[in-house]
Amino acid sequence: AQSVAQPEDQVNVAEGNPLTVKCTYSVSGNPYLFWYVQYPNRGLQFLLKYITGDNLVKGSYGFEAEFNKSQTSFHLKKPSALVSDSALYFCAVRDPPTGKLIFGQGTTLQVKP
Amino acid sequence: KAGVTQTPRYLIKTRGQQVTLSCSPISGHRSVSWYQQTPGQGLQFLFEYFSETQRNKGNFPGRFSGRQFSNSRSEMNVSTLELGDSALYLCASSPGTGSYNEQFFGPGTRLTVL
Repeated sequence: AQSVAQPEDQVNVAEGNPLTVKCTYSVSGNPYLFWYVQYPNRGLQFLLKYITGDNLVKGSYGFEAEFNKSQTSFHLKKPSALVSDSALYFCAVRDPPTGKLIFGQGTTLQVKP
Repeated sequence: KAGVTQTPRYLIKTRGQQVTLSCSPISGHRSVSWYQQTPGQGLQFLFEYFSETQRNKGNFPGRFSGRQFSNSRSEMNVSTLELGDSALYLCASSPGTGSYNEQFFGPGTRLTVL
């Protein structure tokens, strides 16, 4: 069965510093991995996805993610954090037989001025 | 293009009542999925519709149902509401059913059951 884990409930970084939000996955077959962000009282916004190809995926708002097959990880990164990046971040894997997205429990990112 | 829209945004019901939530996908998107988000269980898949047919269903009781219309708009219905049904219900659309397709989410409907 497909699953993802986000080992940190919360990540705190100072504005201007690099940020990393961690995600590990367990899949049978090729992984289809996604990152979403959720602001308070809003739906989920798509950031980026890995389907195949380059291990470094670039997405919206300056975010990128590194796919590491040997470590089964798909960490979200940004070189310089903004206060406005503070939100709830979800890693997800697509389950091909059912088509559903399986989400991690979410990581709250707090960027302080 | 306009994004995914969901109506209503907020809803308050009492136990035993039923509720219908509506979702309009992005124009041209034919796949619509529904998710339930709660603090305790996180994001859980309810069902997916494509071309008016339910393709998949998550582990929810039969009180949760849905349908999709010929214009791809979708509704979900919850009957005999329970307190535990209080949640944010999210609708997501995508162009097709391929696993490589990202899903685009609406703002959600916040359902409170009293």
